[in-house]
Amino acid sequence: KQEVTQIPAALSVPEGENLVLNCSFTDSAIYNLQWFRQDPGKGLTSLLLIQSSQREQTSGRLNASLDKSSGRSTLYIAASQPGDSATYLCAVRHQAGTALIFGKGTTLSVSS
Amino acid sequence: GAVVSQHPSWVICKSGTSVKIECRSLDFQATTMFWYRQFPKQSLMLMATSNEGSKATYEQGVEKDKFLINHASLTLSTLTVTSAHPEDSSFYICSARPSGRGVYEQYFGPGTRLTVT
Repeated sequence: KQEVTQIPAALSVPEGENLVLNCSFTDSAIYNLQWFRQDPGKGLTSLLLIQSSQREQTSGRLNASLDKSSGRSTLYIAASQPGDSATYLCAVRHQAGTALIFGKGTTLSVSS
Repeated sequence: GAVVSQHPSWVICKSGTSVKIECRSLDFQATTMFWYRQFPKQSLMLMATSNEGSKATYEQGVEKDKFLINHASLTLSTLTVTSAHPEDSSFYICSARPSGRGVYEQYFGPGTRLTVT
């Protein structure tokens, strides 16, 4: 059974810092991996999606990497801002069109 | 494009009553919709997969007679929590998979906060 783990569970940083969020998964036979942002009491906003054949994806200040063989992904946030404060969720999909399996998330707090 | 709505956004009900939550894909057709549940400080857990015109597939441990799912059209799936109890209080999120799309396969609704008193 696939298990997705995110470390750390919570992170507090001052504004401007670069930071890395970690995600690991037990079954490397994934179709793709996706990073989401969730604000308190809200739904999910997709940030980056990495196909199993890809190594990384970038969007603005965000960069996500994938090492499928070792079952790891990282989300790098450059020059963090208070508006980045949210919970970041990592999720994997085993086959096209199937449901996502989520980690518990990392709650990020960026202070000004 | 690719907007998914949920209604209601929050609901409070008394123990023993039933509550219906709607998930709609507003600008695309969705053959498949997924229902997730999220307890405080926990991850989203898949409850069931809903396919238009057929019975839903439930995950292990989810009572199909308690959580009734109907996917009667390509743009609407409903989740009915029957005889709700306080332990059913949670955040319910649906996602919709566009028919015929490729890489970006699921769009999430904003969620419904259910509180059972």
